[in-house]
Amino acid sequence: GENVEQHPSTLSVQEGDSAVIKCTYSDSASNYFPWYKQELGKRPQLIIDIRSNVGEKKDQRIAVTLNKTAKHFSLHITETQPEDSAVYFCAAILTGGGNKLTFGTGTQLKVEL
Amino acid sequence: NAGVTQTPKFRILKIGQSMTLQCTQDMNHNYMYWYRQDPGMGLKLIYYSVGAGITDKGEVPNGYNVSRSTTEDFPLRLELAAPSQTSVYFCASRGLAGGPDTQYFGPGTRLTVL
Repeated sequence: GENVEQHPSTLSVQEGDSAVIKCTYSDSASNYFPWYKQELGKRPQLIIDIRSNVGEKKDQRIAVTLNKTAKHFSLHITETQPEDSAVYFCAAILTGGGNKLTFGTGTQLKVEL
Repeated sequence: NAGVTQTPKFRILKIGQSMTLQCTQDMNHNYMYWYRQDPGMGLKLIYYSVGAGITDKGEVPNGYNVSRSTTEDFPLRLELAAPSQTSVYFCASRGLAGGPDTQYFGPGTRLTVL
């Protein structure tokens, strides 16, 4: 089955700096890669996703890049703000075939003033 | 649409008691999932369902049971509660067949077993 590794487990940045979280996956057939943000005491919420036919996707301050050859994908947050502080999870799935998202172990991002 | 709803929000059980965590979605999604999240940890899949009448085990199914009699509902049953089942439980749903793959989570149920 799929295995997703996520690094780093904790990340501390100064407000305004950029943050990068990286994930690698094992199943080359996986074709959908979402990122979730979970604030303390809240449910995980989808913030951005990317499909295997696209190399990069941006949405305002957040972007995701995918390298299918190396089987890794990354979340980039620019101009970080205190409200970006949360736990971020990456995930991978083969849609239409496998039915289960495989999640990474999470990254605790702390944006310091 | 209300999305994915869960009840109760909080519950305290005594060891050996049983309870059912309710999950309902109004998006006509085929796939539904139950996860548990221990403090400071990631999400572990307990059970999932690909449609009414079909369920399968996830990573940590021991001590739990599920049923899927309708598309909308996917209850999780704890038969003999143990302290190790103290956790936050999230239900999630995903996709119509051939449709978007986005997975939506419910608000969670915080369970404490004493």
